[in-house]
Amino acid sequence: DAEITQSPRHKITETGRQVTLACHQTWNHNNMFWYRQDLGHGLRLIHYSYGVQDTNKGEVSDGYSVSRSNTEDLPLTLESAASSQTSVYFCASSRSLAGGTYSSYNEQFFGPGTRLTVL
Amino acid sequence: TQLLEQSPQFLSIQEGENLTVYCNSSSVFSSLQWYRQEPGEGPVLLVTVVTGGEVKKLKRLTFQFGDARKDSSLHITAAQPGDTGLYLCAGPYNTNAGKSTFGDGTTLTVKP
Repeated sequence: DAEITQSPRHKITETGRQVTLACHQTWNHNNMFWYRQDLGHGLRLIHYSYGVQDTNKGEVSDGYSVSRSNTEDLPLTLESAASSQTSVYFCASSRSLAGGTYSSYNEQFFGPGTRLTVL
Repeated sequence: TQLLEQSPQFLSIQEGENLTVYCNSSSVFSSLQWYRQEPGEGPVLLVTVVTGGEVKKLKRLTFQFGDARKDSSLHITAAQPGDTGLYLCAGPYNTNAGKSTFGDGTTLTVKP
């Protein structure tokens, strides 16, 4: 069965370290997204990609970067981890229609999340 | 920015009770999705509503899309402890339909 996985599931790191969170999907979806979820803020979009070599900034992109070298993976990198980046991170994917047209439904499939603690 | 406001933010009820949660916006959406998120897991898609006035049923859950496609509701009949979770509504941005905006969610607790 197709799925979307994230690793690690839990991570503790120190302020200033570089951290990379992995996201891998086997849905063959063109669209992939990274969100963070904090109490009182719901899901906030960090970065997203509509295909290989395409990346875009979301509403809370400062301090984060992504790269898309293949369809299946969208790793999220925290360049220099800060305590404010302690959060739960979710990766998601959705399909796009032929020709690059977006499905107006934009139904997203989420990974299980990574809980990141920055000390 | 298109915003989705969900209410109530928290809801705690006894098993067997009925409840309704709401998702409202001042903007028109081409569709709205409802997700349920259980503790320690990612959100899972429940349903998509597309047509104004549309009603969809998923067992004891009834979803309605407003006639003007600006709001939606989720009604649960005879709630069970297994319904406990965070309910999120989401919809595509009009100007960038490849991504969605999410409401902050309703946290539902159903006590046995």
